[in-house]
Amino acid sequence: AQKITQTQPGMFVQEKEAVTLDCTYDTSDPSYGLFWYKQPSSGEMIFLIYQGSYDQQNATEGRYSLNFQKARKSANLVISASQLGDSAMYFCAMSLYNNNDMRFGAGTRLTVKP
Amino acid sequence: DTGVSQDPRHKITKRGQNVTFRCDPISEHNRLYWYRQTLGQGPEFLTYFQNEAQLEKSRLLSDRFSAERPKGSFSTLEIQRTEQGDSAMYLCASRFGGSGNTIYFGEGSWLTVV
Repeated sequence: AQKITQTQPGMFVQEKEAVTLDCTYDTSDPSYGLFWYKQPSSGEMIFLIYQGSYDQQNATEGRYSLNFQKARKSANLVISASQLGDSAMYFCAMSLYNNNDMRFGAGTRLTVKP
Repeated sequence: DTGVSQDPRHKITKRGQNVTFRCDPISEHNRLYWYRQTLGQGPEFLTYFQNEAQLEKSRLLSDRFSAERPKGSFSTLEIQRTEQGDSAMYLCASRFGGSGNTIYFGEGSWLTVV
């Protein structure tokens, strides 16, 4: 079964600076997708960015980019120019192509300081 | 609003009572998921439907839990004889097609068992 590890329970960043949230995963399956979600205090899970295991380029979506290092099995999220509204829990998740569920890491709580 | 919707958003119940949550997925999404999330943790997979068929159930889903998706559209999650340990947020999510596609979440149903 796949496993997702987020080793940073909490992170602080100064407004307008960049921050990297770590995610490592473990699977023997070559075909998978990696996702990052944001969960504000209101509770909804907001999709941020997706990286397929066969994608050659790192995914980017606005201020979000995914630093995908396949050999190291890491999929770190980089948030550039942090904003106060970025304060939230961030979850890394993985979905294998040969099954259909999605497994989540324990999350990282990001706090952006003014 | 064409997102995933869940009802009720909040439920407080006495231990031993039954509760039922409803999820309406995004209309063209054939896959529907239930997750459970406790404070400070990532979502834990409970069960998954493809159309009306329940294809996978987690060991977390005890005999007191049952989920249905009778017409392949909305789904219900029932918890019988609730226990305090059932207190959590129950998240519904849906996706269209294969595992490379994004899962979209509802806002969750908070359950408090007193």
